[in-house]
Amino acid sequence: RKEVEQDPGPFNVPEGATVAFNCTYSNSASQSFFWYRQDCRKEPKLLMSVYSSGNEDGRFTAQLNRASQYISLLIRDSKLSDSATYLCVVNKIVGGSQGNLIFGKGTKLSVKP
Amino acid sequence: ETGVTQTPRHLVMGMTNKKSLKCEQHLGHNAMYWYKQSAKKPLELMFVYNFKEQTENNSVPSRFSPECPNSSHLFLHLHTLQPEDSALYLCASSQWQAGGPTDTQYFGPGTRLTVL
Repeated sequence: RKEVEQDPGPFNVPEGATVAFNCTYSNSASQSFFWYRQDCRKEPKLLMSVYSSGNEDGRFTAQLNRASQYISLLIRDSKLSDSATYLCVVNKIVGGSQGNLIFGKGTKLSVKP
Repeated sequence: ETGVTQTPRHLVMGMTNKKSLKCEQHLGHNAMYWYKQSAKKPLELMFVYNFKEQTENNSVPSRFSPECPNSSHLFLHLHTLQPEDSALYLCASSQWQAGGPTDTQYFGPGTRLTVL
């Protein structure tokens, strides 16, 4: 299994749609999980951290399933401005300690009018 | 947003040139990173500095040479690069805590490098 694996995409959805992204990670000892957003030719920016209990920020909901080593991101009521690549990010375990971040390849979302 | 700045934003260089990329963070963080992002590949971590000390070098060729003079500045010196080194080079910073979970990283806008 790859360290961080995401849906290949691209996702092409109409405005107002609900879209879900999935991500799996290989190391069960990882403790830090994030979703980043990267616009075309721009740097990645933190969208939200992902907590064990699940968390919501407006139209965005992130969930973590440690047993399945699975992370999800749900976007409700998609806007044109949500069009971007969404990166699943998990921290690496090095010698039993929490290490640096590993980025997935990203899933491209295109919201159409 | 100007938390992490990078210069230059664009760079075209020949294979025999020597150039340097600069990164500066204004967030008071103690860790800085260089990443490479090529088309259709995930971000690749190149170097990590914690408290100005290099803690990770992910098998990066010696034609890339990092320098961290203080916790706010990070350089990437480039020498005799190859065309396949053309990519977006991103700098990031974070607040590192020994024994703690990995903290959020904040990225600069990147330098888009083209090697001819």
